[in-house]
Amino acid sequence: EVQLVESGGGLVQPGGSLRLSCAASGFTFSDHYMDWVRQPPGKGLEWVGRTRSKASSYTTEYAASVKGRFTISRDDSKNSLYLQMNSLKTEDTAVYYCARASRVAGRSYMDVWGKGTTVTVSS
Amino acid sequence: DIQMTQSPSSLSASVGDRVTFTCRASQGISNYLAWFQQKPGKAPKSLIYAASSLQSGVPSRFSGGGSGTDFTLTISSLQPEDFATYYCQHYNSYPLTFGQGTRLEIK
Repeated sequence: EVQLVESGGGLVQPGGSLRLSCAASGFTFSDHYMDWVRQPPGKGLEWVGRTRSKASSYTTEYAASVKGRFTISRDDSKNSLYLQMNSLKTEDTAVYYCARASRVAGRSYMDVWGKGTTVTVSS
Repeated sequence: DIQMTQSPSSLSASVGDRVTFTCRASQGISNYLAWFQQKPGKAPKSLIYAASSLQSGVPSRFSGGGSGTDFTLTISSLQPEDFATYYCQHYNSYPLTFGQGTRLEIK
């Protein structure tokens, strides 16, 4: 069974840091691009960023709202995806989802999602 | 950035109804469009990719269409489990962006 399980969420003060993890199983993790998506309480979905696969040199893309503060990385030997969040702001409060991206016709779309982990930034 | 606009924002319908949601991109995205379903307190679920391709395991009452800037998601005969919020998302270029969602409620 294809599965993604996020962890590492919690309460952090503004300006603080947090590292989220996403453990993947049931598929060849190293072949896939991977995404982080977040959802503030009561609001819609916001894409956070993407890491490409080794074949694409593990390059990354970020939303403007997190660029320079968040870093996405992966460890294919551990089938794991990470999101390092620094300089956190209250507006970063959200449920954070990891998602697998699958490639069709030259583009990658999100086809499998984890259940999410909650991050609360508050003093 | 490409903006995705969904309409309506909410919709009331009955079991057995046929409903159609609309998603418009601020510029052409070919067919690089996905649809997701989200129920309260749950993760999004992939329904449609490449504008009209059904994700494995998704019932055939769901269908997608469109290309360029205008897209639709249709549910041919609503079932009780279909009442949820639906999001479109483009994956043509970065940043990837979602529509604001359409909430489907029971009439």
